[in-house]
Amino acid sequence: ETGVTQTPRHLVMGMTNKKSLKCEQHLGHNAMYWYKQSAKKPLELMFVYNFKEQTENNSVPSRFSPECPNSSHLFLHLHTLQPEDSALYLCASSQEEGLGNSPLHFGNGTRLTVT
Amino acid sequence: AQKVTQAQTEISVVEKEDVTLDCVYETRDTTYYLFWYKQPPSGELVFLIRRNSFDEQNEISGRYSWNFQKSTSSFNFTITASQVVDSAVYFCALSEARYSGAGSYQLTFGKGTKLSVIP
Repeated sequence: ETGVTQTPRHLVMGMTNKKSLKCEQHLGHNAMYWYKQSAKKPLELMFVYNFKEQTENNSVPSRFSPECPNSSHLFLHLHTLQPEDSALYLCASSQEEGLGNSPLHFGNGTRLTVT
Repeated sequence: AQKVTQAQTEISVVEKEDVTLDCVYETRDTTYYLFWYKQPPSGELVFLIRRNSFDEQNEISGRYSWNFQKSTSSFNFTITASQVVDSAVYFCALSEARYSGAGSYQLTFGKGTKLSVIP
């Protein structure tokens, strides 16, 4: 299995739908992340979980709701999204030791289109 | 606040040419880490290298080499004898080593440089 697996790979949803993105890591890492990648913009950190505890919420709108049931799984629940939320959503994990030097391991991402 | 600038938005080279991707960073910290990632069309970002602020030795890994210059706050990446498989978007990133107790830190990415290697 690949290190970080994201499903689905592609998702098209209407503005009134509710959907969830799933991420699973098989690397034994203790930190997991959601990033948003939009065209022409730098990667934006959305959420960080360390040992299942949310340690970062980068001013993300409440229509995005993360869930981390254990160190290996991370979800991003979506509801009443806007067209500008269309982007590539990337999950990552790392073995975080609080030094800022841990490389991130990324999944392939979910390409989200909001219609 | 930390900042990473990749001034080259897109670069095209012919196969076998050498190419250098520029990265300039800003930080107030004396301890920090620099990274390069590669994002092929499949979407997954692949970690290439990490460098800490106290280690200015240049590094070579096969056709890849990295030039870290603290005096100019740059961490440039050179691909020698480029190949079509090198076509991707390359991201430079900076992490300030700040232990918050919760283990989180800020990793700032540049906007990326899209490299196209033409056969």
